[in-house]
Amino acid sequence: DAGITQSPRHKVTETGTPVTLRCHQTENHRYMYWYRQDPGHGLRLIHYSYGVKDTDKGEVSDGYSVSRSKTEDFLLTLESATSSQTSVYFCAISEYGTQNYEQYFGPGTRLTVT
Amino acid sequence: GENVEQHPSTLSVQEGDSAVIKCTYSDSASNYFPWYKQELGKRPQLIIDIRSNVGEKKDQRIAVTLNKTAKHFSLHITETQPEDSAVYFCAAPSTGTASKLTFGTGTRLQVTL
Repeated sequence: DAGITQSPRHKVTETGTPVTLRCHQTENHRYMYWYRQDPGHGLRLIHYSYGVKDTDKGEVSDGYSVSRSKTEDFLLTLESATSSQTSVYFCAISEYGTQNYEQYFGPGTRLTVT
Repeated sequence: GENVEQHPSTLSVQEGDSAVIKCTYSDSASNYFPWYKQELGKRPQLIIDIRSNVGEKKDQRIAVTLNKTAKHFSLHITETQPEDSAVYFCAAPSTGTASKLTFGTGTRLQVTL
């Protein structure tokens, strides 16, 4: 597996609380992504980053924000968690810009909002 | 943006049989089509991909075919084995470049003995 870690791996939180998930890579890849995975919906892109401080929205960005202050770290924040944000969150990285378009996924974070 | 539809949502085959999963896409400018496999409780991993300048690509028991005219691509697994049991996702570029992908909703493949 590519050098990608996610923390925490599991989290239970209450509605209305802020939550931050961290993705850390050791591959020096330029692109980083946050997806959520829900039954029947596959993998849906929340936000992605194409460089330090360069981020853009995906298809399900409402209620989420991201930050990337270093190449190796990409943070996903739920400002005020809701039950609809209960999901498995995957981070991914990519070298896109070379001829390798493969996205490498992290191990995932299971988030439960009660 | 790109719209990717994947069928079937579940597929059960006997060991040794072939399995075919089909995806359609909407953007005729899309040029990169990967397939990811996700075993239970694991992360998705790329198993094969194809670019729009070829019509077919093979890697041992798996192959992907692309029909640009009809805007669909398919994953073919021959001589299925129990370890092929997993969820398979297709994807296509969200906005014409492969820096961002739109994934299909997944196919759960069950290989029975």
